[in-house]
Amino acid sequence: DAGITQSPRHKVTETGTPVTLRCHQTENHRYMYWYRQDPGHGLRLIHYSYGVKDTDKGEVSDGYSVSRSKTEDFLLTLESATSSQTSVYFCAIRMTSGSSTGELFFGEGSRLTVL
Amino acid sequence: AQSVTQLGSHVSVSEGALVLLRCNYSSSVPPYLFWYVQYPNQGLQLLLKYTSAATLVKGINGFEAEFKKSETSFHLTKPSAHMSDAAEYFCAVNVQGAQKLVFGQGTRLTINP
Repeated sequence: DAGITQSPRHKVTETGTPVTLRCHQTENHRYMYWYRQDPGHGLRLIHYSYGVKDTDKGEVSDGYSVSRSKTEDFLLTLESATSSQTSVYFCAIRMTSGSSTGELFFGEGSRLTVL
Repeated sequence: AQSVTQLGSHVSVSEGALVLLRCNYSSSVPPYLFWYVQYPNQGLQLLLKYTSAATLVKGINGFEAEFKKSETSFHLTKPSAHMSDAAEYFCAVNVQGAQKLVFGQGTRLTINP
């Protein structure tokens, strides 16, 4: 258990509304990630963070922003949600201590439906 | 850039039969390779990983995978399928030193009684 909590776990919203998903970790890991999962596409990286206030884009970052003001929290924001952003969102952390080989540990996911 | 291709979005086997899930990778430098499993309505769990120490890697729940550099493959196998193996399986690649994993499209495994 890597101590990852995602909230909310389920959300239904309307097109055009802002949405923020939160990822909270309890073990002070430096690297945190947001992926989205869609049928036929596997997991695709949205944004990731390599430290407080240090973030970078992934392959599907359009329409999303992130913030990391403290080590334990990584927020994903949809400024104006669209139906194409209906998906399951996963937060992950990367173990960097010891002999880490870059594997990720995932939260339980947040299912977002945009109507 | 590195990439992963999983052959077959759905695989169906009978209980007790061999499970074979295929994964091919593309990387210009030695990669780290991973298999993850996702049970319904859950997050992804690490099944096993290849880190260059041994080409045959054993993981949890009786699964294993063999790294074949000449074939750029990392196929996942289990000698005898169990009903509890029904899940979605993802192959992923991480080039050494890279900060992120790249995932395949996933393979849904169904076990028939």
